Amino acid sequence: AQSVAQPEDQVNVAEGNPLTVKCTYSVSGNPYLFWYVQYPNRGLQFLLKYITGDNLVKGSYGFEAEFNKSQTSFHLKKPSALVSDSALYFCAVRAPDSNYQLIWGAGTKLIIKP
Amino acid sequence: DAGVIQSPRHEVTEMGQEVTLRCKPISGHDYLFWYRQTMMRGLELLIYFNNNVPIDDSGMPEDRFSAKMPNASFSTLKIQPSEPRDSAVYFCASSQGTTQPQHFGDGTRLSIL
Repeated sequence: AQSVAQPEDQVNVAEGNPLTVKCTYSVSGNPYLFWYVQYPNRGLQFLLKYITGDNLVKGSYGFEAEFNKSQTSFHLKKPSALVSDSALYFCAVRAPDSNYQLIWGAGTKLIIKP
Repeated sequence: DAGVIQSPRHEVTEMGQEVTLRCKPISGHDYLFWYRQTMMRGLELLIYFNNNVPIDDSGMPEDRFSAKMPNASFSTLKIQPSEPRDSAVYFCASSQGTTQPQHFGDGTRLSIL
């Protein structure tokens, strides 16, 4: 069965430190992978995507993610966290033959402490 | 871009009443999605449209839920009759094509008393 896992419900990072939000997936074929961020009382906002090509993808607000096919992972990273990065982060994956339905992770709450 | 526009932002109504949620997608986008978000179940896809035609409604929980897209710039999600367990945040999203990201509205927070 196709699935996405975000193993951490919450990640706590001190401001200025690097952050990582983890995502692993299980789909057939080559996946399309996405990261979104949700601030309180707002809709989800697109951060970055991997379709093909370079395994390191750069996105909005200084975020990047690395696609690792052997580990079936797509972890979100940022070299230096800001308090304003505190939000809920969602990983999503689409299999090429999935009739366009995105499979969503449960979300990870990121808390950046000053 | 104006973004995806949803209305109302908040809706509080009594059980048994009809509820209609509205969505205006981004101009030029040919896919429209309706999602529901709850703490217990996370983000669930209810239905999506391509060029105004419903493609997959397998996520619609019950016959009480219905969705329409009469034209490229407007869609509705209707619940009739509403029940307390329908309380959730409902999101509309749109995208251009099948590999482009989805753009979300700010949602309708629905409370059924």
